[in-house]
This record gives sequence, structure tokens and C-alpha cells, in this order.
Amino acid sequence: GAVVSQHPSWVICKSGTSVKIECRSLDFQATTMFWYRQFPKQSLMLMATSNEGSKATYEQGVEKDKFLINHASLTLSTLTVTSAHPEDSSFYICSAREYPSVLNSGGNEQFFGPGTRLTVL
Amino acid sequence: AQKITQTQPGMFVQEKEAVTLDCTYDTSDPSYGLFWYKQPSSGEMIFLIYQGSYDQQNATEGRYSLNFQKARKSANLVISASQLGDSAMYFCAMREGGGADGLTFGKGTHLIIQP
Repeated sequence: GAVVSQHPSWVICKSGTSVKIECRSLDFQATTMFWYRQFPKQSLMLMATSNEGSKATYEQGVEKDKFLINHASLTLSTLTVTSAHPEDSSFYICSAREYPSVLNSGGNEQFFGPGTRLTVL
Repeated sequence: AQKITQTQPGMFVQEKEAVTLDCTYDTSDPSYGLFWYKQPSSGEMIFLIYQGSYDQQNATEGRYSLNFQKARKSANLVISASQLGDSAMYFCAMREGGGADGLTFGKGTHLIIQP
């Protein structure tokens, strides 16, 4: 149980195009989803928190007009990188949380997707 | 100030030895959670162990245990009997507050197990 998928797993695009990344909770309802970004050889940085049916909350320094987040259902959140540039190339990872949780997962609260590697040429 | 500090960028350990990965944290919130994740080269985040701020006992999960020293704000991960497959990046993370917030990660430790 508690599986989260991401699509696509990798994407290469030209500078100036927009890219949409999907995050799905496959066997539980995710009241909250989180988006993280990880540059090469660095740590994960929280970009934004999205709750189903409401606007996302962005961390300081993250441009909300550039990284559009939609959490339209309890199992799907999307991150759209608009007008992508080479500096946006990164590993984007989502996580999903059921809160309050009924999942018996040994204390694990956030279930991570496998990540999407974005390369902007 | 960093909220999660991992002071060991890299470690080499002999197979079958125990290894301790250091993590200190900083928060003024009385309610928080501490997590350790393993990230192999594939990039997936693998949950290892969790410690809640109000938990009286140190968490254990198989070969993993968390040495929680609340007064020192320390949450070191101990891996007993290391295996070659343990080679990966290890991240310590913290969630502040009751549970609806995202995680703050440390910079990670690159652990390499040598045969």
C-alpha cells in the first residue's frame, strides 16, 4: 500500500516550453501533496504544499507563476513548469500525505514518488 | 540558521561494521518529527525510520535504530552490520508542528560500504 507514482520519469524539453509533471497516489487519498526539487548532489528543497481543492502554498523564493500547482482531486496533483529554462533542470519529487492517517506505515507520513528528471536544453 | 545539520558529507565503512550517521536539528516547536531516508542512485526516497518528539524510546526498524537525544537536539542513525547494498545517500529530515507540513532535509551523507 501507499504507492505514489510520477509521470513522466524523465523529460527533455527546449527552453521556453512548458512541462507538466503528474503525481498520483494510487491506493490512498492524499489530502496533501508536496513538491520538492533536488539539484545534482544537493538536498531536497520543499517548493510548495498543495491541499486538494485549494491554492498551493509556496515556499519563500519559489515563483508561483513559474511553477503552477493544481491539486484537483484527492489522488492527483500536477506541477507545471512554465517557460522552462536550463536553470530549471532538476529532479522534481512529489510526496503525498493522508492526514489524518489511517495507514499503518511505521511512522512514515509522506510517501514519495519516484521523481521526474527534467532537462531543459 | 540550518534546521537540519548533517556534518558528514561522505563516509567509507567496511562491510559488516556498524555505522553512525550524525544529524542535529534546530526547532522551537515542541511537536516535531524526525525522519531518515535512503536515496540510492536511482533517486527514489526510501523511508527508513521515524522518531516523534514525544516518543520516550528510541525508534528501531530492523538493522536501523535512531539514537534520539532530545536535550542535545540530536537524531543519529545507526546501521548495524552494514551491507554493500547500504551504499547510498542518507538524508535526515524534520517535520515541525502537528503533521501537515512538509519536510526540511539536511544536506545528506554519502555512505559507501567497502567489501
